[in-house]
Amino acid sequence: DQQVKQNSPSLSVQEGRISILNCDYTNSMFDYFLWYKKYPAEGPTFLISISSIKDKNEDGRFTVFLNKSAKHLSLHIVPSQPGDSAVYFCAARGRSGSARQLTFGSGTQLTVLP
Amino acid sequence: KAGVTQTPRYLIKTRGQQVTLSCSPISGHRSVSWYQQTPGQGLQFLFEYFSETQRNKGNFPGRFSGRQFSNSRSEMNVSTLELGDSALYLCASSLGSGFHTGELFFGEGSRLTVL
Repeated sequence: DQQVKQNSPSLSVQEGRISILNCDYTNSMFDYFLWYKKYPAEGPTFLISISSIKDKNEDGRFTVFLNKSAKHLSLHIVPSQPGDSAVYFCAARGRSGSARQLTFGSGTQLTVLP
Repeated sequence: KAGVTQTPRYLIKTRGQQVTLSCSPISGHRSVSWYQQTPGQGLQFLFEYFSETQRNKGNFPGRFSGRQFSNSRSEMNVSTLELGDSALYLCASSLGSGFHTGELFFGEGSRLTVL
């Protein structure tokens, strides 16, 4: 049973346009959410995060939105650049004990076309 | 500051064999976690070690084991390899246990192929 789901395995966007990557979760006890980016032959790198007490966090071209009632978060990249082409993983953390390990989604391959 | 180092980067084994993967965390980091990445499954949590103690364990069979040394370096072992164990194994380090900020620093991974 996947507690964190990324239903779109791939997404293609034109350079300069907005990229929207989506993530759904089922566990209401998650209190912290993160996005990681992964290039081929490299490990994932942290991109941006958001606490469950907020509904938006922005860092440059990257903004993460959290809708707790819908158990949904999204990552917006504006404007998209070819260097953003990578696999994006969303991850969620539980509140205590062993649940504080990160649970990852299956990833979305973003391709930004020049 | 050196990043997380994993060895070997690539290896090929046959069914029934066993394998040991190594991970050196960022200097000063005391927590090491291991993840398995397979196509379509994302990153599946294997286990986390902090100060030589296993703190958390994912839902993997007992063939998967690990340990951490006093210098925070960690190894994971998979015995009696199966074809389904073919995956990218990622190690991640963080300053403390419990992911207080959630930020993990990942190595480049060890790509295991089981024939």
